[in-house]
Amino acid sequence: EVQLVESGGGLVQPGGSLRLSCAASGFTFSSHWMHWVRQAPGKGLVWVSRITSDGSSTIYADSVKGRFTISRDNAKNTLHLQMNSLRAEDTALYYCARVGSGSSNDLWGRGTLVTVSS
Amino acid sequence: DIVMTQSPDSLAVSLGERATINCKSSQSVLSGSNNKNSLAWYQQKPGQSPKLLIYWSSTRESGVPDRFSGSGSGTDFTLTITSLQAEDVAVYYCQQYHSAPITFGQGTRLEIK
Repeated sequence: EVQLVESGGGLVQPGGSLRLSCAASGFTFSSHWMHWVRQAPGKGLVWVSRITSDGSSTIYADSVKGRFTISRDNAKNTLHLQMNSLRAEDTALYYCARVGSGSSNDLWGRGTLVTVSS
Repeated sequence: DIVMTQSPDSLAVSLGERATINCKSSQSVLSGSNNKNSLAWYQQKPGQSPKLLIYWSSTRESGVPDRFSGSGSGTDFTLTITSLQAEDVAVYYCQQYHSAPITFGQGTRLEIK
């Protein structure tokens, strides 16, 4: 089955760190660019970061630049998001999403919830 | 950054009627390299992940019912749902992927009247 499954979310104190993972299966992971997109409770979709298929190029939203790092392990079909210096405003459901042939996000995971609170 | 603005914020339509959602970008998302508009539409049902409906502004994703259609070019785009079904209740988002940062509209909530 073609799917993305996120993990690693949880409750963390402000200033803390978390590492999210996204396990891909059912398709050739190494052929696809990947994104992280987040959604605060009751709010809209916000793009976070993108990585190319070979991991050589990454870009970030200004709100997370310098704090978050996207990476991938194509041998393990896994995408990661290392999140440091977390803030209350980072609280959200974090989705990983595949970039398809139409350059848009054609496959999404179910998301993993990150809550930043003391 | 390209700002995406959807209208209306919410919409109530009777079953079997047409629903129209608009999306306006603050600058053109027409790609000079392929002459395509880098504009997608997503559907997010309650408690679910977003689902791709339309990409390149008017190309329907595989498996999406043909009552969903996208149109527009440059800065003005429309998602049309003909003959609304109960299962179409959702929040709909437009997204531009023309330039980084990728940006989404604020969403339009579609309900049954």
